[in-house]
This record gives sequence, structure tokens and C-alpha cells, in this order.
Amino acid sequence: DAGVTQSPTHLIKTRGQQVTLRCSPKSGHDTVSWYQQALGQGPQFIFQYYEEEERQRGNFPDRFSGHQFPNYSSELNVNALLLGDSALYLCASSLRGLAKNIQYFGAGTRLSVL
Amino acid sequence: AQSVTQLDSHVSVSEGTPVLLRCNYSSSYSPSLFWYVQHPNKGLQLLLKYTSAATLVKGINGFEAEFKKSETSFHLTKPSAHMSDAAEYFCVVNLSGGYNKLIFGAGTRLAVHP
Repeated sequence: DAGVTQSPTHLIKTRGQQVTLRCSPKSGHDTVSWYQQALGQGPQFIFQYYEEEERQRGNFPDRFSGHQFPNYSSELNVNALLLGDSALYLCASSLRGLAKNIQYFGAGTRLSVL
Repeated sequence: AQSVTQLDSHVSVSEGTPVLLRCNYSSSYSPSLFWYVQHPNKGLQLLLKYTSAATLVKGINGFEAEFKKSETSFHLTKPSAHMSDAAEYFCVVNLSGGYNKLIFGAGTRLAVHP
């Protein structure tokens, strides 16, 4: 049973470019959440997708957008990259978005913006 | 608003001695609380969770945590540290009854010395 998988593992971009990160949830899970973890900090919630719709959003600008596909996989898109977007981006999956349900995390995508 | 404060950014212990990682939370609702561990270059792994059942929660690898509502605390302990316990630990709160939006503390880096 595969866990949460993310691709790519590392990415280098320059300011102003656009990036797409991908996430496949754990088998049987239908909800995907994205988090940004800056160096030396705890992860911060970006947004959550359930039934192909964005259900919750953290305090991130519109440059951050996402999508969920019918097979529950998800993408995170960031436009007009800034140096401050350099971080580890984590994807987590869970079942039906209920608070008591555990979120399982992928190993993350390390994004470096030069 | 929900928040989490980890009282120590770094904790250093000797192998075989007890571990105490402190966490205080703030929540207007009955919270779900978690401890996650992050080893270098790896994803977040759930250690244990509290969801309004027993106040003393046992997790993996010998860790446990006690929920104290009167003190709004959820400290993580382990009787005897192993070298493999060296990692970053995050205390996390989740709003009960809502969607699965995790709020992370800033993290505590645990160092274990021989």
C-alpha cells in the first residue's frame, strides 16, 4: 500500500517563473491538503481539496492555486515566484476531511527560487 | 483562534535519560491534538493523537503525551531516549468539528548525545 507520494523531490526555479507540484494521496483517501514549510519553521496550511473543490484556504495569496482530479490526486501551482517561496512543500492526505482523521504526509518537494 | 506554542526550540538529552517536549495550545473548541516527528529529508510521521478519549495517550516508539485541559498543555514524554529519537518534533492542533486544517507549532529540535 503506497503512502502519499509527491513529485518532484527537488526543484529549482528563478523569480517570476511558474511551478507545478504533484501529489498522489494514500490509497483510500479522498482529501488532500498542502502545507508550506519554510526553513526552521513549522508547516503552514495553504489549502485543502475535497471532491475536486477547494474547501479551506490559509493565508496565502492568489498566486497559490490548486486542483484535485477525479482520482483524488492533486496539484499545487505557484505563479510569479518570489524568493520567499523557497520552502519545503508538503502534501497530506486524509479521509473525508473530518477533524479526527489522521493526515498522512508525503516526503515533500523542496523548491528553491533563485 | 487556535494556536500552538512549543516552549523549547531545542532540547538536548543524553541517551537513556527521559525526554520532555513541552506544548501549550489555545483553542476555542474542543481540540484534537497531535505530535508529529520529522527526521531529516523525510516526511512528517504521526507519533500520537488525542481526540477527547483518554487523557494519557500512548504513541509509537515509546512516546506518550498527557492532555491537561486546566493547563492547556499537551507535553510529550519518553522514559528513555535513543539516538534514533534525534529529530524535529511538532505539536499540532486541529479544530474539532471542522475540516482537517492542522495548525503546527514552531517545532522542537531534539538532540540525543551518547
